[in-house]
Amino acid sequence: SQKIEQNSEALNIQEGKTATLTCNYTNYSPAYLQWYRQDPGRGPVFLLLIRENEKEKRKERLKVTFDTTLKQSLFHITASQPADSATYLCAPQFSGGYNKLIFGAGTRLAVHP
Amino acid sequence: DAGVIQSPRHEVTEMGQEVTLRCKPISGHDYLFWYRQTMMRGLELLIYFNNNVPIDDSGMPEDRFSAKMPNASFSTLKIQPSEPRDSAVYFCASSSTRGLSRYEQYFGPGTRLTVT
Repeated sequence: SQKIEQNSEALNIQEGKTATLTCNYTNYSPAYLQWYRQDPGRGPVFLLLIRENEKEKRKERLKVTFDTTLKQSLFHITASQPADSATYLCAPQFSGGYNKLIFGAGTRLAVHP
Repeated sequence: DAGVIQSPRHEVTEMGQEVTLRCKPISGHDYLFWYRQTMMRGLELLIYFNNNVPIDDSGMPEDRFSAKMPNASFSTLKIQPSEPRDSAVYFCASSSTRGLSRYEQYFGPGTRLTVT
């Protein structure tokens, strides 16, 4: 069955450093992969989408890589700020449907001043 | 744009009662998704619709759960009868297959359901 793994432990970093979050998937090859941010008590918010034929995508301080050989995506936040503290969810497209996503459990990021 | 609207925001009910959750997707979006989020199981897809037609309901846990989309601007998720293990946050999301933002899902604020 399709399985998504994200860092289960919370990630604590100092303001100004780069945060790197990992998403691994097994048993299939998604056509694309998305990253979402979720704050406590709120719904997930879309951040970035990367397709299988793209190695890297950037948006302001965010960068996502997609390695289809390793079956892994990395999500980077450069020059991190306390406002970046949230849970980040990895969501590869699910092989059973082009618009269907399967969400990872999320990694909680805490950026300390 | 108002975004995805869900109601109620909070629902507390007793075991055995019927619960109806409501969702209004973003105008023009042709996909609508219902998710459930718990600490133990994370964010799970329950069912999704394309152009008001249910495409995949394999995530619906039991026959006690049902969902409808009578038109492009309204969907309901019903639980009858409700049980304590249904306690969770239920999210509705919508997306479009057109334009630059296709496949991005836009989530509502969620309905926090507590079944006592």
